[in-house]
Amino acid sequence: GDSVTQTEGLVTVTEGLPVKLNCTYQTTYLTIAFFWYVQYLNEAPQVLLKSSTDNKRTEHQGFHATLHKSSSSFHLQKSSAQLSDSALYYCALSDHKEDNYAQGLTFGLGTRVSVFP
Amino acid sequence: GGIITQTPKFLIGQEGQKLTLKCQQNFNHDTMYWYRQDSGKGLRLIYYSITENDLQKGDLSEGYDASREKKSSFSLTVTSAQKNEMAVFLCASSIRTASAETLYFGSGTRLTVL
Repeated sequence: GDSVTQTEGLVTVTEGLPVKLNCTYQTTYLTIAFFWYVQYLNEAPQVLLKSSTDNKRTEHQGFHATLHKSSSSFHLQKSSAQLSDSALYYCALSDHKEDNYAQGLTFGLGTRVSVFP
Repeated sequence: GGIITQTPKFLIGQEGQKLTLKCQQNFNHDTMYWYRQDSGKGLRLIYYSITENDLQKGDLSEGYDASREKKSSFSLTVTSAQKNEMAVFLCASSIRTASAETLYFGSGTRLTVL
C-alpha cells in the first residue's frame, strides 16, 4: 500500500526565517499527484499545493514544493515564515488502484508549525 | 464555490452508544469521504462513496457504518462508542475523475465519549 512520511511532528521557527517541512512517500501503485494541505486552528483542511509533474516547482501563497520522484520526496518550503503560517500541515498523495480512479488521499501524520515573533 | 456542512459540530456520547454524524455538500461532487483525525495520527480514511448508494471501505472502517442516500449527503455511524474516545471526524468531497482529485473538507465533528 501507500505511505507518506512526515518526519517532524513540530517545527518551530522565528518570524522572517525560512521553514522546510519534509515529506517522503512509498507507493506500489501509479501515483498521480501530491498535495500539501494546511489546517488552521478550528478550520477545515484546505489544499495549499498540488503537483503531478516530476522536477517542476509549484508555488502558492509564498510556499513552494518540487516533486522529486527519484528521491520519492515532496518537501514544502517557505523563505520567510509569517505568524499567520502557524498551522498543521499535511502531505498527501493520490493514486489509482485497480479501477483506474483515484480512491481518496493517503495522508502523512502531519507537521505542526509554530511561528514565533 | 461550494461548502461542506457537518452536523453536529460537537458530539458527546456514552460508552456503547450508537452515534450518527451527518455531512452535506453543495459542490455537486460525485465522491464523498469520511476521515478520522487523531492528534499525531494524521487523517485516516473510514469510508468513501463514489455515487449515491455506493459504499467503499477505507483502512479504518471497523466499528463504523456509512450511508449515502443521495448525492449531496453522506452519513457516518459509530456503531458502539468507545469509552474515552476523542477524535475529529472530517467529511470531504471531490469530483470523480481519472486525473488527480482535490478533496474539499468540512470543518469536522468533534466526538467525545464519556
